[in-house]
Amino acid sequence: KNQVEQSPQSLIILEGKNCTLQCNYTVSPFSNLRWYKQDTGRGPVSLTIMTFSENTKSNGRYTATLDADTKQSSLHITASQLSDSASYICVVRLPYSGAGSYQLTFGKGTKLSVIP
Amino acid sequence: EAGVVQSPRYKIIEKKQPVAFWCNPISGHNTLYWYRQNLGQGPELLIRYENEEAVDDSQLPKDRFSAERLKGVDSTLKIQPAELGDSAVYLCASSLRTTNEKLFFGSGTQLSVL
Repeated sequence: KNQVEQSPQSLIILEGKNCTLQCNYTVSPFSNLRWYKQDTGRGPVSLTIMTFSENTKSNGRYTATLDADTKQSSLHITASQLSDSASYICVVRLPYSGAGSYQLTFGKGTKLSVIP
Repeated sequence: EAGVVQSPRYKIIEKKQPVAFWCNPISGHNTLYWYRQNLGQGPELLIRYENEEAVDDSQLPKDRFSAERLKGVDSTLKIQPAELGDSAVYLCASSLRTTNEKLFFGSGTQLSVL
């Protein structure tokens, strides 16, 4: 069974500090890896999408990295803000192989709390 | 541009009652998804539509769940009868058929079955 494991499950950091969230996956091969941010009571919002050939992708203070050899991805948040408090979900997309065969595998997410 | 719109935002029902959720995707998005998200978990796909055709409903509990996407735009997801274990957030998402197919999610409907 394809799996996406995220760590830590939850994290508390002080405002202004940096943090790194981890994603380990067993899906192989894969089409792309995504990071989503989900605020409480809202739907997930896409932060980054990386293909298997990309090593890093940035979106403002968010930087995602991908190591396809070790099957690891990380999301680094720089100079955290209170508004960064949310769940961050790692998602791996399997390669397209015909109608009905499309699949996204979601991790359980890391719940980040940024405190003043 | 309006995002994915879902209604209602919250629904509380008693078990064995029916319930329906509605989704209006982003204009022009031909792919529509329904996901279920339990507390502390990632979303799980229930059904995916390409226009009006359900192309992946393998995870939809068909004994009590049904969905439709008439005219390939709006969609409804129905549960009849609801069970206690159906309590969850039901998310709708839409996307264009592009290489990376970025998904846009609605805010979800939080269902509580008592």
